[in-house]
Amino acid sequence: AQSVTQPDIHITVSEGASLELRCNYSYGATPYLFWYVQSPGQGLQLLLKYFSGDTLVQGIKGFEAEFKRSQSSFNLRKPSVHWSDAAEYFCAVGADNYGQNFVFGPGTRLSVLP
Amino acid sequence: ETGVTQTPRHLVMGMTNKKSLKCEQHLGHNAMYWYKQSAKKPLELMFVYNFKEQTENNSVPSRFSPECPNSSHLFLHLHTLQPEDSALYLCASSQARGADTQYFGPGTRLTVL
Repeated sequence: AQSVTQPDIHITVSEGASLELRCNYSYGATPYLFWYVQSPGQGLQLLLKYFSGDTLVQGIKGFEAEFKRSQSSFNLRKPSVHWSDAAEYFCAVGADNYGQNFVFGPGTRLSVLP
Repeated sequence: ETGVTQTPRHLVMGMTNKKSLKCEQHLGHNAMYWYKQSAKKPLELMFVYNFKEQTENNSVPSRFSPECPNSSHLFLHLHTLQPEDSALYLCASSQARGADTQYFGPGTRLTVL
């Protein structure tokens, strides 16, 4: 079964600074990787996903993520953070096995200083 | 209307009440999910339905009873809940199980008094 870790529980950055949120996964076969964002009291919104092909994927709101198989990582990045990016970010891994479900990481809370 | 909708958005109930949460997806998906999100805890998968059939129950207490009358609707019936059941309940859907992208509703914030 797959698993996901997000080493950082809480990150604070200044507005305009760059951002990198870490995600590490464990899965024996090709993973399907996702990043979701959740604003307070809201559901999860898909930011981007990786299924195959180019290891650098672009998402909505200026986010991108890079899949590194050798490091079992799928880190999320943004070159310049906006105050509206303050939220909880979840990494998830899905298996290509029909019977498997998503596994979500514990989340990283992002705070943005003005 | 598009996406995944959930009603009600907020619910306060006593421990002896019976209530139901409703989820509807307008995406033509075949799989639907209930998740529980408690403060300071990871997202917990509760139930999975695929083509209206329950395929997974992650050791959820019997005071939570799901129902999926068709591929577009999913209910979570609640009875004799405990205060520790207070949480955000999220519904999601996907085209199929496994690796398909899951789309989430806004959630129902449940408070059990």
